[in-house]
Amino acid sequence: DTEVTQTPKHLVMGMTNKKSLKCEQHMGHRAMYWYKQKAKKPPELMFVYSYEKLSINESVPSRFSPECPNSSLLNLHLHALQPEDSALYLCASSQDAQGVFQPQHFGDGTRLSIL
Amino acid sequence: TQLLKQSPQFLSIQEGENLTVYCNSSSVFSSLQWYRQEPGEGPVLLVTVVTGGEVKKLKRLTFQFGDARKDSSLHITAAQPGDTGLYLCAGAPTLNQGGKLIFGQGTELSVKP
Repeated sequence: DTEVTQTPKHLVMGMTNKKSLKCEQHMGHRAMYWYKQKAKKPPELMFVYSYEKLSINESVPSRFSPECPNSSLLNLHLHALQPEDSALYLCASSQDAQGVFQPQHFGDGTRLSIL
Repeated sequence: TQLLKQSPQFLSIQEGENLTVYCNSSSVFSSLQWYRQEPGEGPVLLVTVVTGGEVKKLKRLTFQFGDARKDSSLHITAAQPGDTGLYLCAGAPTLNQGGKLIFGQGTELSVKP
């Protein structure tokens, strides 16, 4: 069982819908990440939160809006997505994102399909 | 820009065979992670190697970090169908870039019974 929990597991939405992806971890980690993954490809980093502050935005379109309400939770708000945004969205966490590198632990992802 | 070249991209073998996956770079990494991802799931961390020349074993899996910390290999002995999945190597830059990882392109392994 993964220690990073993502909901929902699957999401189908139209291009005009607004939805949110949720991620939760209770390992006391202070860094959380959003990745996008296409089939059989490595994950691509989207955002990094360090101590609840956005520290990295990899030039992600504004139709993706991250939020970190507290150290255990990470949300990704979606609005007006395009068909090419269909992918597996992965959340990960690590002890922190500074100093000595700490390995990242991934959730099982949300499979997103845009109609 | 640091890159990790992972090979082979695809590997289809029979149960019982041995295999090796390679990750190579011209850059030095502070550590290197290996993940396995099965369909419908997220990547699962298998191992982290940190010291140049380090060898770690996980049952039938042997991981090695190159002496210069620029390359790594994963060797599987007597592969089983349960080893099927996408294997990813991911290097941590020597200067921590806010937790960024450099991923290899992945190796899709299929082990047939």
